[in-house]
Amino acid sequence: EIVMTQSPATLSVSPGERATLSCRASQSVSSNLAWYQQKPGQAPRLLIYGASTRATGIPARFSGSGSGTEFTLTISSLQSEDFAVYYCQQYNDWPPEWTFGQGTKVEIK
Amino acid sequence: EVQLVQSGAEVKKPGESLKISCKGSGYSFSSYWIGWVRQMPGKGLEWMGIIYPHDSDTRYSPSFQGQVTISADKSIGTAYLQWNSLKASDTAMYYCARLYSGSYSPFDYWGQGTLVTVSS
Repeated sequence: EIVMTQSPATLSVSPGERATLSCRASQSVSSNLAWYQQKPGQAPRLLIYGASTRATGIPARFSGSGSGTEFTLTISSLQSEDFAVYYCQQYNDWPPEWTFGQGTKVEIK
Repeated sequence: EVQLVQSGAEVKKPGESLKISCKGSGYSFSSYWIGWVRQMPGKGLEWMGIIYPHDSDTRYSPSFQGQVTISADKSIGTAYLQWNSLKASDTAMYYCARLYSGSYSPFDYWGQGTLVTVSS
């Protein structure tokens, strides 16, 4: 099983500041990496897939980068609606044993 | 508009059986893999498995193989998650979600979640 490790567990950021979230895979997942946002009481929402492609309707302030084992989600200027938990997920292997990271909570500083 | 609508919250006793559902609309249900994700209270997301409704090809996470059954009825555009004997540790929110495209894909559309509570 590929283990996805996210850091930090919690990120305290002021509105308008940049947030940088990391995700590391225990082995290469190529670019088969997605990022999701989850707000309290809501289902997750797809933000980024293919490591760097924004999903439909996702604002340009969200960007993803990386390949292989190291990935980053950057939120360029945090808005109030961006405070949430963010998960990375790999979908690289078949038969699928796809896995999520444990999540990074972005909170207001 | 693509929608996944899940069945309502359930309260069950240990040892009971349960089948929850996820109805897709606004797209060709048979043509997209659909999966299930568990979220235990206050915890993160866990990938459980996926099914291709066209031919019912089903793949499970090793963590959930033998613990649940994923099925689909393409004639009514509905996927299911089933337990034969619930345990207290099955208490969680369960989400269905559609794979974006093909087999190597993230989940692009999600259901609203079904809360399953197992308690004596």
